[in-house]
Amino acid sequence: NAGVTQTPKFRILKIGQSMTLQCTQDMNHNYMYWYRQDPGMGLKLIYYSVGAGITDKGEVPNGYNVSRSTTEDFPLRLELAAPSQTSVYFCASSDRTATEQYFGPGTRLTVT
Amino acid sequence: RKEVEQDPGPFNVPEGATVAFNCTYSNSASQSFFWYRQDCRKEPKLLMSVYSSGNEDGRFTAQLNRASQYISLLIRDSKLSDSATYLCVVNFFQGGKLIFGQGTELSVKP
Repeated sequence: NAGVTQTPKFRILKIGQSMTLQCTQDMNHNYMYWYRQDPGMGLKLIYYSVGAGITDKGEVPNGYNVSRSTTEDFPLRLELAAPSQTSVYFCASSDRTATEQYFGPGTRLTVT
Repeated sequence: RKEVEQDPGPFNVPEGATVAFNCTYSNSASQSFFWYRQDCRKEPKLLMSVYSSGNEDGRFTAQLNRASQYISLLIRDSKLSDSATYLCVVNFFQGGKLIFGQGTELSVKP
């Protein structure tokens, strides 16, 4: 059972480039989340989804977009990358709101 | 005031020590409380949920004080393998999203 998988593990982007961070879960969870974690800081919610076709903004959505066309996949799109988006990005899922969230291994992104 | 605030750490303790972490939260309507553990450069994983009556899991004890909006985690007989960052996590009522504290780093030394 793979749980939550994320690709890529590492990426270096130049300022202004775009990319998509992939997230897939095989637990049939309805709820999925994207967080970013800056060094020495807690996780901040970027976007979340309560089911296929439904997404909503979290605490720090600017500069990002998401889609949820299937239960399994929740990709995060960065348009016009900026140095401020250098961070570790974690995807997570849960079967209900406010219960245990299962995290993927993270994507380490550097924008230079 | 931060929504979830933890002891800044780091905590450096010898093996076998007892260590306590504190956490306060700002929203009195919060519904659910958790402690997550995050190893260096890895993803967070649930350590334990925190219940109103307090709960224990082996060497770990979690307490909740709703009146003071305060959560604690006590680790007894610390092991080297307990070295990690401990994240206090609170569910605020709005939409059920979880809010993470900044984490408290624990280093257990031989």
